Amino acid sequence: QVQLQESGPRLVKPSQTLSLTCSVSGYSMNSRVSGHDPHWTWFRQAPGKGPEWIGFLSSSGGPSYNPSLQSRATISVTPSENQFSLEMTSVTVADTAVYYCAKGNAYWGPGILVTVSS
Amino acid sequence: DIQMTQSPFSLSASVGDRVTIFCRSSQTISRSLNWFQQKPGKAPKLLIFAASNLESGVPSRFSGSGSGTDFTLTVNSLQPEDFATYFCQQAFTSPFTFGPGTRVD
Repeated sequence: QVQLQESGPRLVKPSQTLSLTCSVSGYSMNSRVSGHDPHWTWFRQAPGKGPEWIGFLSSSGGPSYNPSLQSRATISVTPSENQFSLEMTSVTVADTAVYYCAKGNAYWGPGILVTVSS
Repeated sequence: DIQMTQSPFSLSASVGDRVTIFCRSSQTISRSLNWFQQKPGKAPKLLIFAASNLESGVPSRFSGSGSGTDFTLTVNSLQPEDFATYFCQQAFTSPFTFGPGTRVD
């Protein structure tokens, strides 16, 4: 069974870089199954709001990001450690949210609350 | 960006009720529409993909329909564990936007 778990700092100062890691178990990120190209995805959800798609990385199509983030987000994959990561630069208080990693839309981590505050 | 709207914003229901939630996109998205259920403090859970396909393990009392710009999620015979917030998401084009949610309580 595929499981994901987010980790990283829960408090980030304004203007700094938010860095999160997603550890994947139950699925080898090194595997190459014909016709199967997982989207390693990050979402976030501000308090009291609906989810927001941040972006994904796939082996076939490369990265895709939400333009609203104005190129501040970068997703990378480390197959050897079965992990993928999110970096978001120049954060502001508006980036305070629960951040979720996901394999496509079907498998999500439990989420990690990241607060941007001085 | 494609804007997603949902109605109602919230609804009150009882166990055994049939519940219908509506979702509309600002432009046609064919059948590229997902439905999620979210409970407080938990990650969203995929219920339905491609408008009407039930995700594995999701009870058959959940169903989805629609195409183009108008979609519905129906829960037949609401169960206690179904009290939650439901979101639609368009999967047609980036950025993959969500609706504001419908709370069922």
